[in-house]
Amino acid sequence: QKEVEQNSGPLSVPEGAIASLNCTYSDRGSQSFFWYRQYSGKSPELIMFIYSNGDKEDGRFTAQLNKASQYVSLLIRDSQPSDSATYLCAVKEDKIIFGKGTRLHILP
Amino acid sequence: DGGITQSPKYLFRKEGQNVTLSCEQNLNHDAMYWYRQDPGQGLRLIYYSQIVNDFQKGDIAEGYSVSREKKESFPLTVTSAQKNPTAFYLCASSIAGSGRREPSSYNEQFFGPGTRLTVL
Repeated sequence: QKEVEQNSGPLSVPEGAIASLNCTYSDRGSQSFFWYRQYSGKSPELIMFIYSNGDKEDGRFTAQLNKASQYVSLLIRDSQPSDSATYLCAVKEDKIIFGKGTRLHILP
Repeated sequence: DGGITQSPKYLFRKEGQNVTLSCEQNLNHDAMYWYRQDPGQGLRLIYYSQIVNDFQKGDIAEGYSVSREKKESFPLTVTSAQKNPTAFYLCASSIAGSGRREPSSYNEQFFGPGTRLTVL
């Protein structure tokens, strides 16, 4: 059974600090990795995708991928209250599998 | 103005009743998906379609049915056989579907606003 694991949280981070969200996956054949942000009552919104080992930066967001450790993370720098949401990790091998998400709460 | 639309936003179903959720996209995407999300849970795949007139069961297809007669439309019917249908239903689309094992931006899924179904 292919799995994508995330800590459900809530993860509380002070405003202006770095939020670090982690995700592990079970299938070594996975090739594509995605991070979605979902506000309460809304649909998921794609914020980052990464395919290669290493870091990928986009504004305040950095995705980190380590295929050897089967680990992908999302860093949010200078956290803002508007970043408070659930973050879903998704991993694709033959189909996309979503984790259950981590609730992030930015403390003003 | 491209995107994915779902209707209705809220839907109430009586016991024993079939209901159909609409999903339309004008992104010219080949692949479309239906997910179910329960409170505190991740997304569970119900059905997906990689091309017109073809669709595949996902992880929780029992009690649901779909059709894909047009590229832009992928309606989901929740039948009376689905014993616990109260949930948030999300439709998504991507340029290409599953089966492309190599990394590709074609795999990125974009979601509609969702339909919240409640059984009375």
